[in-house]
Amino acid sequence: DAKTTQPPSMDCAEGRAANLPCNHSTISGNEYVYWYRQIHSQGPQYIIHGLKNNETNEMASLIITEDRKSSTLILPHATLRDTAVYYCIVSGSSNTGKLIFGQGTTLQVKP
Amino acid sequence: KAGVTQTPRYLIKTRGQQVTLSCSPISGHRSVSWYQQTPGQGLQFLFEYFSETQRNKGNFPGRFSGRQFSNSRSEMNVSTLELGDSALYLCASSAGLAPSSTDTQYFGPGTRLTVL
Repeated sequence: DAKTTQPPSMDCAEGRAANLPCNHSTISGNEYVYWYRQIHSQGPQYIIHGLKNNETNEMASLIITEDRKSSTLILPHATLRDTAVYYCIVSGSSNTGKLIFGQGTTLQVKP
Repeated sequence: KAGVTQTPRYLIKTRGQQVTLSCSPISGHRSVSWYQQTPGQGLQFLFEYFSETQRNKGNFPGRFSGRQFSNSRSEMNVSTLELGDSALYLCASSAGLAPSSTDTQYFGPGTRLTVL
């Protein structure tokens, strides 16, 4: 079973920030939080990952709470092309090569 | 760098047949993982290969098998196809370095298998 909980769907206005939450209350100390997204029937696309510090790259920012029990993926200026299913995944060395996907959050960016 | 490639992209088979899918990882990556995606079960892990050895396995019947070659390319085989095997089959590659918690997987476009 997935170790994360995400809302099934969210809407966001084009040009606004999209904030996607994820709960991972049972995360272990050596487990990372990964975010992927999947645009209809394509392969999942890696977005960002982090351990305990906030992370930022050209696609998004990842905010992890101090207790590491939850995180938020931020897309700073959502576009229509960001409409996708977003997966939050917790992964550690005990799951070699294995990502456990939950149902994810379907983000709909609206004009 | 070229991304992960999968062939064929689309495949139609009939029940009882077998099928072989191919995955070429990103250059330099030594780990290949396979996933099955269906509308009902979502994305599920099949198995992972590293240096030609299966290192991790999901909860799928023995009809699903795989292998990895010395150049890290991987194939997966499904024998005695069932209607329920219709799915998008995805492979992902990673460097395969330890610790795996920092080893990001990059996915291919998938092979869409339809079983009639």
